Amino acid sequence: DSGVTQTPKHLITATGQRVTLRCSPRSGDLSVYWYQQSLDQGLQFLIQYYNGEERAKGNILERFSAQQFPDLHSELNLSSLELGDSALYFCASSAFSRIDTEAFFGQGTRLTVV
Amino acid sequence: GQQVMQIPQYQHVQEGEDFTTYCNSSTTLSNIQWYKQRPGGHPVFLIQLVKSGEVKKQKRLTFQFGEAKKNSSLHITATQTTDVGTYFCAGPRGGTSYGKLTFGQGTILTVHP
Repeated sequence: DSGVTQTPKHLITATGQRVTLRCSPRSGDLSVYWYQQSLDQGLQFLIQYYNGEERAKGNILERFSAQQFPDLHSELNLSSLELGDSALYFCASSAFSRIDTEAFFGQGTRLTVV
Repeated sequence: GQQVMQIPQYQHVQEGEDFTTYCNSSTTLSNIQWYKQRPGGHPVFLIQLVKSGEVKKQKRLTFQFGEAKKNSSLHITATQTTDVGTYFCAGPRGGTSYGKLTFGQGTILTVHP
């Protein structure tokens, strides 16, 4: 158990819909990262938050947004969903804003868009 | 932009054989990390290499960082069935310790008993 909690574990939704994925980082970790893992694109960095502020942005679509709340949990919002958004979404956390530190991944949310 | 390439994409070995995966970056990396993802699981941090030419060992696993800090390798001696999974290398884009972590495509290791 990494200490990072992601909910829900599975999500099936229709095209055009909006979903919210939730992540609770390890106790004491201030950084939260979101990654998308698909068969053709591998593990892609989406966005990082550190202590409530956006710290780095990767290949995140405009239809996607995220935020980190004062209690440090984070949510990833995916809207106007397309079939191609079907993937495994991982949240990871680390103690610092630097990315040269060990990151702990959650179990992931498997999103299926039908 | 920076790319991190991993080879091979797949590797099948018999239990007891050795295994090596290679990671190559188009730019110099400030550090490189290795992760393992078991089938159906999530990535788990294995190690980070920072210094040019660095070699680190974890039991049967040996990690190397190239002299130019543009390539790295993971070698497993005498594989076991518990070694199955996908091994990823990852490096910070832009060569700094902040920002975006770029993952290689991973090497999927299958170990036949």
